[in-house]
Amino acid sequence: KAGVTQTPRYLIKTRGQQVTLSCSPISGHRSVSWYQQTPGQGLQFLFEYFSETQRNKGNFPGRFSGRQFSNSRSEMNVSTLELGDSALYLCASSSNPGTGLNSPLHFGNGTRLTVT
Amino acid sequence: AQTVTQSQPEMSVQEAETVTLSCTYDTSESDYYLFWYKQPPSRQMILVIRQEAYKQQNATENRFSVNFQKAAKSFSLKISDSQLGDAAMYFCAYRRLAGNTPLVFGKGTRLSVIA
Repeated sequence: KAGVTQTPRYLIKTRGQQVTLSCSPISGHRSVSWYQQTPGQGLQFLFEYFSETQRNKGNFPGRFSGRQFSNSRSEMNVSTLELGDSALYLCASSSNPGTGLNSPLHFGNGTRLTVT
Repeated sequence: AQTVTQSQPEMSVQEAETVTLSCTYDTSESDYYLFWYKQPPSRQMILVIRQEAYKQQNATENRFSVNFQKAAKSFSLKISDSQLGDAAMYFCAYRRLAGNTPLVFGKGTRLSVIA
């Protein structure tokens, strides 16, 4: 099986612009989660989608949004970019959300976003 | 809110030696899951080992084992016979058993392996 695929790998944007990141989960996985990773804050949860519905949301401003399509692929969007949004954005998929041990998260390689 | 603390930002170990990475967590739950993830320079987070809180027996995966002390809320990772490929960031993570709650991560420990 192919792993979790995130595109693009790298992105450079200017403050005030918006950006869309894409994540294709492992085939058969219906849950997709997004995390922001920065050196100072570590990994912080953004949101989780399951069957096109947002199930959980982290403590991020409304500029951060996401969606999931019927094929389980997910996108996240950040509008009005700020310098502090520079981070590695990681996507993870699992087959059965909420079952913890038997359905661990499988991560992609992330998208490195730099805001200048 | 649950928190996960990794008190060692950086660790180093000689090749073939053993190293232990520390993790403590704070929760009022009695049932939960604990994980160790490895993040090499490729950036992909890889699951190393996982533990169910209601199981007394410490989990083991080849050269990786944990010391789970539930009362102390401690979940350390022991890497035996360290190899150069073990060099990476290691993250401890917690997840509640009940409900669809996200993983809560510690801030990580950077492990260097010296040849």
